[in-house]
Amino acid sequence: EDQVTQSPEALRLQEGESSSLNCSYTVSGLRGLFWYRQDPGKGPEFLFTLYSAGEEKEKERLKATLTKKESFLHITAPKPEDSATYLCAALGGSNYKLTFGKGTLLTVNP
Amino acid sequence: NAGVTQTPKFRVLKTGQSMTLLCAQDMNHEYMYWYRQDPGMGLRLIHYSVGEGTTAKGEVPDGYNVSRLKKQNFLLGLESAAPSQTSVYFCASSRAASGGETQYFGPGTRLLVL
Repeated sequence: EDQVTQSPEALRLQEGESSSLNCSYTVSGLRGLFWYRQDPGKGPEFLFTLYSAGEEKEKERLKATLTKKESFLHITAPKPEDSATYLCAALGGSNYKLTFGKGTLLTVNP
Repeated sequence: NAGVTQTPKFRVLKTGQSMTLLCAQDMNHEYMYWYRQDPGMGLRLIHYSVGEGTTAKGEVPDGYNVSRLKKQNFLLGLESAAPSQTSVYFCASSRAASGGETQYFGPGTRLLVL
């Protein structure tokens, strides 16, 4: 059974304090690793898709990386507006089901 | 280009009542999905569709039915609502799934079953 585990469950940072969120996955035949941002009361907003180990993608203060077992979302010099829940999801095998992690709630204090 | 829209935004039902949630997308996507999100459980797939006129069961399909009569619409029905169906429901769509295509989500429908 496909599994995705995110850590930590919650992370509190000061503005400007860089850190990383972790997403460990057990998926047979990974076809895509996705990162989403979710604000309270809103739907998940797409950030990145990674397809193979070694791949990296960046957007503003965020950089996502992928290994054969994990993905990291690095946040450089975060701002309060980066506060949100970050979701990781994996698509594997021959089915259509995205397996989601439970998310990391990031709070950035000014 | 509105992306994925959902109707209604919020609904309160009594146990045993029925309702239909509507999802619409204007991106000409082939695939559409219904998820539910519960605290501590993450997003779980209820049903999905790989094209007009086709539907399939996901991870938690019991108590729900779906229909995809038009390519742009995906309906989720609750025939006899139960308190366990209190949740936030998200619809998503993608161009395809075989190539690891990105799923784009709607804003959600919050359902409370009393």
